Amino acid sequence: DTAVSQTPKYLVTQMGNDKSIKCEQNLGHDTMYWYKQDSKKFLKIMFSYNNKELIINETVPNRFSPKSPDKAHLNLHINSLELGDSAVYFCASSQWQGTSREQYFGPGTRLTVT
Amino acid sequence: QKEVEQDPGPLSVPEGAIVSLNCTYSNSAFQYFMWYRQYSRKGPELLMYTYSSGNKEDGRFTAQVDKSSKYISLFIRDSQPSDSATYLCAMSGGGQNFVFGPGTRLSVLP
Repeated sequence: DTAVSQTPKYLVTQMGNDKSIKCEQNLGHDTMYWYKQDSKKFLKIMFSYNNKELIINETVPNRFSPKSPDKAHLNLHINSLELGDSAVYFCASSQWQGTSREQYFGPGTRLTVT
Repeated sequence: QKEVEQDPGPLSVPEGAIVSLNCTYSNSAFQYFMWYRQYSRKGPELLMYTYSSGNKEDGRFTAQVDKSSKYISLFIRDSQPSDSATYLCAMSGGGQNFVFGPGTRLSVLP
């Protein structure tokens, strides 16, 4: 069973379009994240949700809107896509308990904006 | 100065070598430290997790944290070609913001 899954795996779209990426975790974790990994492989946090509540919202354009319908799902909707949005987007989850902070990542969604 | 620095490599070693990967950081509030392995076109895979200072060993992997020097290391013993990947360090101060290093690309040559 895949612990953290994302769909789609690849997304090719044109500038100006709106697209969504979905993430699901079956680990029973209470916190989920979205990360962006650029062409230089630098991994940067975008959002963090704890029990469906937005905790971290790093400096990302407001064209990016996360939505968490329940603890196991965190989706990312992107409006008016731009060339600079091309990257790999990773979903991750963790369970905040005691000193536990381990994050588990999904396989990534490779977004290409043309 | 970047919050987390890591030698990007690439680092090439012969099979069987001991590999040392390192990260330095500037934020003294960091107390949770992780190492991830990322194969090409895959998601990061958690290798080691350490809370606060000290050493942790798991098979061929040893993680060390020296908070006084703001320095963490990952050692790989008896390196294998299958260890060829990018290794990312990550750390957190206890909040939900994790900061990643830029990664070190490792090649283990048969």
